[in-house]
Amino acid sequence: EDQVTQSPEALRLQEGESSSLNCSYTVSGLRGLFWYRQDPGKGPEFLFTLYSAGEEKEKERLKATLTKKESFLHITAPKPEDSATYLCAVQALGGGNKLTFGTGTQLKVEL
Amino acid sequence: NAGVTQTPKFQVLKTGQSMTLQCAQDMNHEYMSWYRQDPGMGLRLIHYSVGAGITDQGEVPNGYNVSRSTTEDFPLRLLSAAPSQTSVYFCASSPPGFLTEAFFGQGTRLTVV
Repeated sequence: EDQVTQSPEALRLQEGESSSLNCSYTVSGLRGLFWYRQDPGKGPEFLFTLYSAGEEKEKERLKATLTKKESFLHITAPKPEDSATYLCAVQALGGGNKLTFGTGTQLKVEL
Repeated sequence: NAGVTQTPKFQVLKTGQSMTLQCAQDMNHEYMSWYRQDPGMGLRLIHYSVGAGITDQGEVPNGYNVSRSTTEDFPLRLLSAAPSQTSVYFCASSPPGFLTEAFFGQGTRLTVV
């Protein structure tokens, strides 16, 4: 059974204080790993897809990396508008388009 | 471009009542899916469809039915609501191919009393 574990559950940062969110996964064969952002009362919004170990992708203050066992979402000099829940999901080989999600990391960035 | 539209946004049901959660997308996506989101549980797949006329069960299908008569619509039916079905429900659609991003609706918050 595919499993995705995210840590920490919640994270509070000061504006400009960089940090990383972790997503560890167990999957029979990884096709890809996804990061989504979810704002309160809204549906998840796509951020990144990572396909192979060693891959990195960047978008503004966010950078996602992938190893064979985990992925990190690095947040550099965050701003209050980066406050959201960040979700990680995996897609397994042989599983079609199905996604298995972690429980998310709730990030709050304060002034 | 509306994307994925879910209705209603909020609903309160009594135990045993039935209802249909509506989901429509205007992106001509073949793959559509329903998830429920509960505190501490993450998003869990209920049912999915790879195209009109084709549906299959996800991780937590019990108590839910789906059908897919058109590419655009993918309704989720609760035949006899139970308090355990209190949750936030999300519909999503994806372009063809694997590793494509899923587009989510705004969600339906359902309370069963």
